[in-house]
Amino acid sequence: DTEVTQTPKHLVMGMTNKKSLKCEQHMGHRAMYWYKQKAKKPPELMFVYSYEKLSINESVPSRFSPECPNSSLLNLHLHALQPEDSALYLCASSQGWGDSDTQYFGPGTRLTVL
Amino acid sequence: GESVGLHLPTLSVQEGDNSIINCAYSNSASDYFIWYKQESGKGPQFIIDIRSNMDKRQGQRVTVLLNKTVKHLSLQIAATQPGDSAVYFCAETSGANSKLTFGKGITLSVRP
Repeated sequence: DTEVTQTPKHLVMGMTNKKSLKCEQHMGHRAMYWYKQKAKKPPELMFVYSYEKLSINESVPSRFSPECPNSSLLNLHLHALQPEDSALYLCASSQGWGDSDTQYFGPGTRLTVL
Repeated sequence: GESVGLHLPTLSVQEGDNSIINCAYSNSASDYFIWYKQESGKGPQFIIDIRSNMDKRQGQRVTVLLNKTVKHLSLQIAATQPGDSAVYFCAETSGANSKLTFGKGITLSVRP
């Protein structure tokens, strides 16, 4: 089973709202990722967690705040977003972070910021 | 900087024909390569991978070829079906970590 689940599937929020995206995997993977994907573009890496610790932050604005409560869960807290943050947000996981392990993606959350 | 790119933005093939999607990469340290398929409204789906110690790997109806001399990767899909219509991304990583560098993506359109 290589399933990564994400909720919600769609999210519409105003610029003053606070919302959270959720990701879950039960493959025993120790690395989890957040990506942002704009239409007709490849995914762009935002954050990497390895063993529940933040390993990489790709200079993401602080209005995006990741959290890894345990090895199976990954959240992305959103606050004071801008319309240009509208995109597909993808979660992925892999066995580990340091060994060129295959990343498996979830279905994504389609975010619209009004 | 280093980049992974695709030669063609779109590819249209007749149903039943074979498809070949090409990808060039520039990082000579890349040692692991993946092809992902992304259907409209969905996340990228792993198709097949290959490590740099191999030059060919076959899956079900798909074959990946790696030419390290010219830094070229290709995905071959046999007997292309309508369900193969999607955007295909190549991605590579260099072994120091699992950070992926994606190509630009190519749209495969299958004509009935």
